Amino acid sequence: GENVEQHPSTLSVQEGDSAVIKCTYSDSASNYFPWYKQELGKRPQLIIDIRSNVGEKKDQRIAVTLNKTAKHFSLHITETQPEDSAVYFCAALGSSNTGKLIFGQGTTLQVKP
Amino acid sequence: DTAVSQTPKYLVTQMGNDKSIKCEQNLGHDTMYWYKQDSKKFLKIMFSYNNKELIINETVPNRFSPKSPDKAHLNLHINSLELGDSAVYFCASSPRDRGSEQYFGPGTRLTVT
Repeated sequence: GENVEQHPSTLSVQEGDSAVIKCTYSDSASNYFPWYKQELGKRPQLIIDIRSNVGEKKDQRIAVTLNKTAKHFSLHITETQPEDSAVYFCAALGSSNTGKLIFGQGTTLQVKP
Repeated sequence: DTAVSQTPKYLVTQMGNDKSIKCEQNLGHDTMYWYKQDSKKFLKIMFSYNNKELIINETVPNRFSPKSPDKAHLNLHINSLELGDSAVYFCASSPRDRGSEQYFGPGTRLTVT
């Protein structure tokens, strides 16, 4: 069935360092890959997304890369700040054309000041 | 930031009771969703409706019944609540059919005692 694996489950970095979170997906027909940030006690918020017709997308300090052949996509955060601390979820849109997002297990990012 | 709103925010109830959670979006979106986030933070789709039509119905106990009176509202009714139903339930909506860019509500923390 459809599956998204996310690693690592926890990530601790020093302020100013970069953070990378990786995901793999199983359904080769998936064509949309969003990333969500969830702060403690808050809702998941869409921070960046990428569609299968591009390999990379950047928005200020965050970037996402997609390797369709390997079915990998990654989130890169540069110059991390304490307010980047949160749980990050990757997701892939399932191929059933129903709008079903398959989420990864989440990565808890801690940025130490 | 109340584009997708849910009530109540917290719900504490006893096993066996019946309860409802309401969701409303004022974004003009056609598709709405219910997700369950368990204690391990895993996000899983339960249902989705597109313009009042049920699109996704995951393997959810039939004690859970969604109802969409119009495309701006998607309510979740739960019968005979069980301890395992304790979780945070998120409503979401998306602007186009088949699920790109999903925007989440603030969540309802359900505790069954």
